[in-house]
Order: sequence, then structure tokens, then C-alpha cells
Amino acid sequence: GAGVSQTPSNKVTEKGKYVELRCDPISGHTALYWYRQSLGQGPEFLIYFQGTGAADDSGLPNDRFFAVRPEGSVSTLKIQRTERGDSAVYLCASSRTEALSGANVLTFGAGSRLTVL
Amino acid sequence: DQQVKQNSPSLSVQEGRISILNCDYTNSMFDYFLWYKKYPAEGPTFLISISSIKDKNEDGRFTVFLNKSAKHLSLHIVPSQPGDSAVYFCAASSDLRDDKIIFGKGTRLHILP
Repeated sequence: GAGVSQTPSNKVTEKGKYVELRCDPISGHTALYWYRQSLGQGPEFLIYFQGTGAADDSGLPNDRFFAVRPEGSVSTLKIQRTERGDSAVYLCASSRTEALSGANVLTFGAGSRLTVL
Repeated sequence: DQQVKQNSPSLSVQEGRISILNCDYTNSMFDYFLWYKKYPAEGPTFLISISSIKDKNEDGRFTVFLNKSAKHLSLHIVPSQPGDSAVYFCAASSDLRDDKIIFGKGTRLHILP
């Protein structure tokens, strides 16, 4: 697609429930990132995929969080036994290399706002 | 331990004047620095980047300056326009193949009419 698509845009759930958040990256982008943004904070790194494999999952806060990208395109972030502290906007991004500087530039989706009551 | 710091949570600038957003970093291994802009209910969008081998990069109204010895970079917007009102995030990464991009907490810029 033209941009990074994330669903759902909003999710309200109860403490203890299971949640899945989906990301559809830009076609042809092999790298995919998940970030979490809490109020008043910058995006906080969670996990990064290169193709189908998780290249770096050091940002996942605990074992309740898991992400998959089985075919190297769409990714799903899964949160088990949700807690109120998991409430945040979950951002997905895919990346390209910026021609002038060589920097790895992320294109973000609009995010999935998760509220745990 | 915050590796990328934006110490001003907000900034107000008169329309037409220059906006200067600052960012400090602690990791001397960073190779690239980027600025992102975020409107409410949207994801951050890429604005401009600079490699650590440069000290300045300009793109239209936006210029990023890098001072490696001070571990400091700044984004200059001139002239500031109402549409520039947004949250600006400074970000950094190293040249390692699988390195993640680290973001600051952001600065909210208000352009006053």
C-alpha cells in the first residue's frame, strides 16, 4: 500500500484480556519496527524485524509482549494479560535508506491507541 | 538512561520568526540524526536527517546543525508558519545493520499568529 496501515486505530479492553494489534507496512520495505508512545514521551523502541525474523526484541518490556511477522510483510503485536500500564499508542513503522544522508528513515503508521481499563 | 534528550517540552514562536529546537545526545557511536514531526492522532513523519560526517544539512525552510564535540544538534525553521505547530522529535541511530532508532521525548512547537 501507499503507507503503513495499523488496525485497530483504537482498542479499549479490560485488565487481564488478550490484545492483538496489526501492522501492514509499505510494500517492499523489508524492515519493520514496533514502538510504544506514552503520554508526554517519545516513541519507545519495542522490537524490529528484518524480513520474517526479529533482529532485535530488546525493547519488549516483558514476556507478556510478543510480535510475529510470519511472511515478512504484515506483523502482529500480541499482548497477553493486559495491565493498565500497557495503555499507550502503539506505533508501527517500516523503513528505507535516505538517499542524501544514508540514514535509516522510518515511515510510521497512525498508531493503535490501546486503553486498558 | 536517556541517550537522546530534548530538554524543552514546549516552545512558542511568532509566525515569520525563526524556530530553534535543540537536542543533546550521550552516545558518541551515533552515526545519523533525524528530526520527525508529529500532529495529533497521526504517526510521526520524517522531516530531515544528517550524517555524523556533516555539520549542516538544509532542506527548504528546515536546517539541521550538528556539533559533534558538544553532542548537540538543532533544527532551525525559518520563516515559521502556522502549519509548523506540532511536536518535534529528535532521533538518532548508529550504522550497525540492526541498530534501533532512539527518540527524544519531543518538543511541542506553537507558532503564534
